[in-house]
Amino acid sequence: EAAVTQSPRNKVAVTGGKVTLSCNQTNNHNNMYWYRQDTGHGLRLIHYSYGAGSTEKGDIPDGYKASRPSQENFSLILELATPSQTSVYFCASGGPGQGNQAPLFGEGTRLSVL
Amino acid sequence: GEQVEQLPSILRVQEGSSASINCSYEDSASNYFPWYKQEPGENPKLIIDIRSNMERKQIQELIVLLDKKAKRFSLHITDTQPGDSAMYFCAAEPGNTGKLIFGLGTTLQVQP
Repeated sequence: EAAVTQSPRNKVAVTGGKVTLSCNQTNNHNNMYWYRQDTGHGLRLIHYSYGAGSTEKGDIPDGYKASRPSQENFSLILELATPSQTSVYFCASGGPGQGNQAPLFGEGTRLSVL
Repeated sequence: GEQVEQLPSILRVQEGSSASINCSYEDSASNYFPWYKQEPGENPKLIIDIRSNMERKQIQELIVLLDKKAKRFSLHITDTQPGDSAMYFCAAEPGNTGKLIFGLGTTLQVQP
């Protein structure tokens, strides 16, 4: 069964600290995505990837880095976390061109930056 | 950048009636339009999608219409039930970028 697994599910970080959000998919999808969801802003694309070694900037990449070391794993890195990055983060895999599949979302990571 | 407008933001309907959500997009090259349903505290889940080579698609009580000329698409839920209460998002893929741009969402409340 197709699955996207995110870790951690909840994270409290301090301002200025480094945060790494991890995502693993077992679907053999080329495309992976990181979105954040905030009330009033819907789902906004931060970074995405077309495959291992590839990262692309989405619509709101500032303050975030991404890493795709393998087909299965895609990480989102906040080098210097700020309170404005408090949000729910969703990873997804699949997507247009992936056998006509819409992206499949993980369960989400709730991040609080204090 | 590319934007997807979604209206209304809140929709209240009586159980058994129909609900309609409308979206519009900017990029005329967009060719893929999925709809997601999100329950509180959960992740978005795909409920129906349509490609640009179709004008209408139906899965049980869900109907999606696409008007490429007007750059609009819509979701219609017939015979709504309390279990349909949730947040709904439309999305569009600009060009062949492989990424999705989402609307801001519609909170649907089905009242018994």
